[in-house]
Amino acid sequence: NAGVTQTPKFQVLKTGQSMTLQCAQDMNHEYMSWYRQDPGMGLRLIHYSVGAGITDQGEVPNGYNVSRSTTEDFPLRLLSAAPSQTSVYFCASTDPDRGGGYTFGSGTRLTVV
Amino acid sequence: KQEVTQIPAALSVPEGENLVLNCSFTDSAIYNLQWFRQDPGKGLTSLLLIQSSQREQTSGRLNASLDKSSGRSTLYIAASQPGDSATYLCAVSMIYNQGGKLIFGQGTELSVKP
Repeated sequence: NAGVTQTPKFQVLKTGQSMTLQCAQDMNHEYMSWYRQDPGMGLRLIHYSVGAGITDQGEVPNGYNVSRSTTEDFPLRLLSAAPSQTSVYFCASTDPDRGGGYTFGSGTRLTVV
Repeated sequence: KQEVTQIPAALSVPEGENLVLNCSFTDSAIYNLQWFRQDPGKGLTSLLLIQSSQREQTSGRLNASLDKSSGRSTLYIAASQPGDSATYLCAVSMIYNQGGKLIFGQGTELSVKP
C-alpha cells in the first residue's frame, strides 16, 4: 500500500503565483486534513474534510482553498502565494471506525520568494 | 480550546538510559492520542496509538500510557540508542466533537549520545 502520497516534494513559487499541492490516499479513509509545520509554531491545521463533498476550516485557513470530490484525493490550493506561506505542508488521513490513527504523507517543502 | 504541551522541549541522554517524555492536554474529551517520531527534514512516523478507553500501548522498547482524567500521557523509551535521536510529537484527536482535528504538542527533541 502506498498510504498517503503528496506531490510535489519541493516547490519554489514567486509571490502572487498560484499552485495546487496534491494529496492522495489509497486506504479508503473518510477523514483527510492538511497541516503546515513552521519552526517554533509546530504543526497547525489548515483545512480538513470528513468525507467527499465536506470540508471545513482549521486553525490557519486564510490563503488556502480545498475541495474533496472523491474519497481518495484532497488537493490544497494556494490562491496567491505569499512569503508567509513558506512552510512544510503535510497531508494526513484517518478512519475513525478503524481506530482513528492518522497516517501522514512525506510532506511538500514550499518556498515563496 | 484544546492545548497540548510537551515537556521537556529538548533532552540529551547517554546511550542505554531509560527515559520518559511527557505530554499533557487540557480537554479530556479526546478520541485517542498518538505519538509520532519525526527525523530532521522528514515526515511523521506513527509510533503508538492509544484509544481513549485504553491505559497503555507497547511496541518493542516503547511504552505509552494515557491517563485521560488527568490529561496526561507519557512515552517511555527503554535502553535508548543513538538511532532514537529525533523529535517526538504527541497529538490528540478530537474526532467526534471537532470533526477530525488532530492537535499537536510542540515536540521533544531527543538526542542520544553514543
